[in-house]
Amino acid sequence: EAQVTQNPRYLITVTGKKLTVTCSQNMNHEYMSWYRQDPGLGLRQIYYSMNVEVTDKGDVPEGYKVSRKEKRNFPLILESPSPNQTSLYFCASSSTGGLAQETQYFGPGTRLLVL
Amino acid sequence: QQQVKQSPQSLIVQKGGISIINCAYENTAFDYFPWYQQFPGKGPALLIAIRPDVSEKKEGRFTISFNKSAKQFSLHIMDSQPGDSATYFCAATVNQAGTALIFGKGTTLSVSS
Repeated sequence: EAQVTQNPRYLITVTGKKLTVTCSQNMNHEYMSWYRQDPGLGLRQIYYSMNVEVTDKGDVPEGYKVSRKEKRNFPLILESPSPNQTSLYFCASSSTGGLAQETQYFGPGTRLLVL
Repeated sequence: QQQVKQSPQSLIVQKGGISIINCAYENTAFDYFPWYQQFPGKGPALLIAIRPDVSEKKEGRFTISFNKSAKQFSLHIMDSQPGDSATYFCAATVNQAGTALIFGKGTTLSVSS
């Protein structure tokens, strides 16, 4: 089954404790992206990747890191989480280098609470 | 200029009625306008999309109306059903590789039976 998977689905952590949210897709997509969803703000892009070893900042990259060492994986790293990073995070992927007209497939989301 | 303004924030419609969600944008370079549907506990999923060279696109009960001169587009859900209850996001972008989708803030639709 074609899908985007994220782990963990739920995470409670404390300020400053490094964490990684994994994202994996099995569709051989070149383009992957991370979003955060906050009430009343909709979805905002954090980082995206056009292909392996190619990443770039989205609209709200501060406090986040990403890497793309393999085509299928695109982990989101919070080196020193803060309470304002409490949010619902989505990973997405699409084919053909990320042309916007290509459907983006979203993962199920990771709900993060930073105390 | 990158914003997409979506209204209303929430909407309650009776079963069988028409649901209408509106979006407006400023950036005239935008040339791709998708709508995403999100059910609770799930990620968004593409519902329908339109390019500015057409004024309307219909897929089943879902229709996008596009007004290029007014820089507005809207989603119409005909014969709304309880199963349509979800959050709907409009988005816009320039159709170039790597360009981000700019999402509206979302509309929560409840269809009462």
